[in-house]
Amino acid sequence: DAGVIQSPRHEVTEMGQEVTLRCKPISGHDYLFWYRQTMMRGLELLIYFNNNVPIDDSGMPEDRFSAKMPNASFSTLKIQPSEPRDSAVYFCASSRDFLEQFFGPGTRLTVL
Amino acid sequence: AQSVSQHNHHVILSEAASLELGCNYSYGGTVNLFWYVQYPGQHLQLLLKYFSGDPLVKGIKGFEAEFIKSKFSFNLRKPSVQWSDTAEYFCAVNAQDTGRRALTFGSGTRLQVQP
Repeated sequence: DAGVIQSPRHEVTEMGQEVTLRCKPISGHDYLFWYRQTMMRGLELLIYFNNNVPIDDSGMPEDRFSAKMPNASFSTLKIQPSEPRDSAVYFCASSRDFLEQFFGPGTRLTVL
Repeated sequence: AQSVSQHNHHVILSEAASLELGCNYSYGGTVNLFWYVQYPGQHLQLLLKYFSGDPLVKGIKGFEAEFIKSKFSFNLRKPSVQWSDTAEYFCAVNAQDTGRRALTFGSGTRLQVQP
């Protein structure tokens, strides 16, 4: 298996622009997680899905953030409009049983 | 809500030195515990995990961790570090009884091993 795939790996955008991050989980994994990693706040859980259904989005910072999982093999995290404080590395992870999570390589987002 | 504390933010060791990284969590119930490692420029990888049973858990690359319930701790150890162990290490906890299917991560410890 190719592991968790994320795209793009790097994204540089200007404040106010829409940003869409993509994730393909490992086949057969029922759980998908979106995390954000910053120097100040460490690794934070934003939202997670079980069988394509959002279960807990309490970590989503504000309404500018939204996430979808239209099918078992694809998820998106969208930020609209983006702000400089959104600059971070965004990780997607998937898991068969939510405990042992497999992380993707991350998307490094820079908002100017 | 549970929290995870990693008190050592940055550790510098020489090769062959012994390593112990602290991890404490704040939850009184049953927990699942993890250590993840993030090598420079790479994604997080599972190093070891504890669900139940023997509190001394052995993981990959010679790492081990000991769960001490009375101290709410899950410290990571390695008897002799190598330069290739330079990475950031994250402790994570899941509280079983809450029904929340997610991990809470500590802030991480950056380990630098000098040759």
